[in-house]
Amino acid sequence: DTAVSQTPKYLVTQMGNDKSIKCEQNLGHDTMYWYKQDSKKFLKIMFSYNNKELIINETVPNRFSPKSPDKAHLNLHINSLELGDSAVYFCASSLQPKDANEQFFGPGTRLTVL
Amino acid sequence: RKEVEQDPGPFNVPEGATVAFNCTYSNSASQSFFWYRQDCRKEPKLLMSVYSSGNEDGRFTAQLNRASQYISLLIRDSKLSDSATYLCVVRNRDDKIIFGKGTRLHILP
Repeated sequence: DTAVSQTPKYLVTQMGNDKSIKCEQNLGHDTMYWYKQDSKKFLKIMFSYNNKELIINETVPNRFSPKSPDKAHLNLHINSLELGDSAVYFCASSLQPKDANEQFFGPGTRLTVL
Repeated sequence: RKEVEQDPGPFNVPEGATVAFNCTYSNSASQSFFWYRQDCRKEPKLLMSVYSSGNEDGRFTAQLNRASQYISLLIRDSKLSDSATYLCVVRNRDDKIIFGKGTRLHILP
């Protein structure tokens, strides 16, 4: 059973389009995250949700909108895609946001904007 | 100074050797520290947490030096399967999570 799953695994799209990436975790965790890993392999947190509520929102363009319909899902919608959005997007979850909790990552979604 | 800094490497190490690398962090109020491992084109996975007194897990030893604000990872008797990128992760008091850019390790047969 996959603990954290993401769809799609690959996404190739044109500049200006709107796209969504879905994430689901079956670990019963309260906290979910979205990370972006760029071509230089730098992994940077974008958002964190705890029990469907936004708790971390880094300086991400407002073209990126996370949505958490329930605590097992955290989807990422991106409007007006730009070339610089090309990256691998990882979803992750952890038991709680505080203290030292292991984060479990999904397999990543490789987004290519043409 | 960057919040979390690592030597990007690559470290090319013969199989069986011992290798160590450090990670420095700038926020003295940082609370939690971790080493993650990321294989090529895969997701990061937790290798070990880093505790104040230092901790060991098999061939891996992690240490924290709060005075000098760095953590270290030591790998003994390195295996080919240890080849990966090792990411230093720091969690601050405000729950901000910062990943280092990673240190690439190549174990040579």
